[in-house]
Amino acid sequence: DGGITQSPKYLFRKEGQNVTLSCEQNLNHDAMYWYRQDPGQGLRLIYYSQIVNDFQKGDIAEGYSVSREKKESFPLTVTSAQKNPTAFYLCASNGREGTEAFFGQGTRLTVV
Amino acid sequence: GQNIDQPTEMTATEGAIVQINCTYQTSGFNGLFWYQQHAGEAPTFLSYNVLDGLEEKGRFSSFLSRSKGYSYLLLKELQMKDSASYLCATSYSGYSTLTFGKGTMLLVSP
Repeated sequence: DGGITQSPKYLFRKEGQNVTLSCEQNLNHDAMYWYRQDPGQGLRLIYYSQIVNDFQKGDIAEGYSVSREKKESFPLTVTSAQKNPTAFYLCASNGREGTEAFFGQGTRLTVV
Repeated sequence: GQNIDQPTEMTATEGAIVQINCTYQTSGFNGLFWYQQHAGEAPTFLSYNVLDGLEEKGRFSSFLSRSKGYSYLLLKELQMKDSASYLCATSYSGYSTLTFGKGTMLLVSP
């Protein structure tokens, strides 16, 4: 089945460690996105990529990094520079400008 | 700008009807999406409006007025499972990304 997969669902890390969240899609979508969601809040855009080997900062990119070496994959690294990394992270993709976004199941990151 | 406003919280009773409003900035507006999100889960697509008027899909309907920068999601015959956050999202010409509102938490009580 076509879809978008995030792993892992739950992730625990010690403060000061970098951690990479995986996102893979087999929908043949050009655009992929990372959002962060805090309790009771909406989605805030971290990074997005519209094409392989290119990506753009979103509204809250500081402390995060991404790569887009393959169309199917858009991993997000939460670095030690991110001051408050504990959150729910959602990856999404869509096929062309302004079309419906499909979401992965999310990764809940807890930094202890 | 692309600011989206929707109420933070709403409550309703099982079997009732509820309307969730969303306003947005009209400059460059392309279309509007509604998503449902249960706690701890990914948002799921409900509807997409690009033309003025009402789109009906079973118990859920969505309305759009492009000139007023206004949309609503109408939920009929509410069920307990409809308790969730409802996110309004807009797309704008020249941008691939969707801009999401903060969501409206709907609590359905017996």
